[in-house]
Amino acid sequence: QKEVEQDPGPLSVPEGAIVSLNCTYSNSAFQYFMWYRQYSRKGPELLMYTYSSGNKEDGRFTAQVDKSSKYISLFIRDSQPSDSATYLCAIVHGSSNTGKLIFGQGTTLQVKP
Amino acid sequence: GAVVSQHPSWVICKSGTSVKIECRSLDFQATTMFWYRQFPKQSLMLMATSNEGSKATYEQGVEKDKFLINHASLTLSTLTVTSAHPEDSSFYICSARVGQGSPLHFGNGTRLTVT
Repeated sequence: QKEVEQDPGPLSVPEGAIVSLNCTYSNSAFQYFMWYRQYSRKGPELLMYTYSSGNKEDGRFTAQVDKSSKYISLFIRDSQPSDSATYLCAIVHGSSNTGKLIFGQGTTLQVKP
Repeated sequence: GAVVSQHPSWVICKSGTSVKIECRSLDFQATTMFWYRQFPKQSLMLMATSNEGSKATYEQGVEKDKFLINHASLTLSTLTVTSAHPEDSSFYICSARVGQGSPLHFGNGTRLTVT
């Protein structure tokens, strides 16, 4: 079993739709959770960073963490064509001082105008 | 803030030659930087952790003599792919963080093609 599982998609939605991206993880010791957006041929760009259960909102983006279910989600409201990219969840082991990230496989999203 | 710059953005080299990739933290000091590798349509795989002033820590299966890492200052880490072969062609991405507990910020990657 992989430490982090993410549905690779691809996911195609019409402009304005609400998008839900999800990851599950296996180790309850994981404590820090991130979502990155990666455009083609570019490095990942940090979107959201959280370490507690619950919701964290930033503009059109909401990150949700459910530690009891070991499940994290990223919601995108009013999706735009510019949101078309690959979205990666990433997790840091709570006891790690090195900052080593474990990535999900990434979900490719296409928002059609 | 927290900008990571990577250079070059792409490079083509002949088989058997060496290639150096630079990673700089522009507006913060980074005692630790991380080098990742990404194949097409795959996720990022950590290659090594670069520590300022000491030896890098390599992940299992990564050849330290082939992928030389130097972290000579708090703002610069370099990755040298020695005696490159076509199978080394990939997208190499570095990252750094402002401090412990902070998320990683990534450079824009270097696309290496070995012919």
